[in-house]
Amino acid sequence: QQQVKQSPQSLIVQKGGISIINCAYENTAFDYFPWYQQFPGKGPALLIAIRPDVSEKKEGRFTISFNKSAKQFSLHIMDSQPGDSATYFCAASIQGGKLIFGQGTELSVKP
Amino acid sequence: DADVTQTPRNRITKTGKRIMLECSQTKGHDRMYWYRQDPGLGLRLIYYSFDVKDINKGEISDGYSVSRQAQAKFSLSLESAIPNQTALYFCATSAKPTGLQYFGPGTRLLVL
Repeated sequence: QQQVKQSPQSLIVQKGGISIINCAYENTAFDYFPWYQQFPGKGPALLIAIRPDVSEKKEGRFTISFNKSAKQFSLHIMDSQPGDSATYFCAASIQGGKLIFGQGTELSVKP
Repeated sequence: DADVTQTPRNRITKTGKRIMLECSQTKGHDRMYWYRQDPGLGLRLIYYSFDVKDINKGEISDGYSVSRQAQAKFSLSLESAIPNQTALYFCATSAKPTGLQYFGPGTRLLVL
């Protein structure tokens, strides 16, 4: 019930393409859904986040789509660039701050 | 994030040794967390603290202990290190009401 399942594990996209990463959860008590971006040798950095009363949030080339009834949310990276190559983690927040992370997606954007 | 620092950045130790990983933050946040990262498993919560007098176990606390010495300092100890504790360890902080977590640069630990 506390799990967040993330797919795919790895993703290769051509420059200019759309990268899509999906996450699913079971616990309806989750109240906040952030996405983190991690470059090699660095700590995860908050990328974008959404609350369950919103179906979509867009920040630049990054968009979160949220489907409350299906208990799923996804990250879309438009016009993907080689600099976007990183590991992406979805997460879900519970109890005012604990984060449950997905397993991570290693994104590679080919020039 | 330079506001969250972790020491050491890399550590090699032997099975059975006691080691401590330290985390300091200048963000003024009241909440601090310790995670470990393993390939294919994402980040898993070890311990968290919502204020100096509040310590809570996370998902995988066995074999670990923590100490919240001050609002800005939160240390993680491995009392008797074992090889399957080889991992990347991250400290994070957050503040009410957003709960947004900010991560340190990590400590790479190898237990031989």
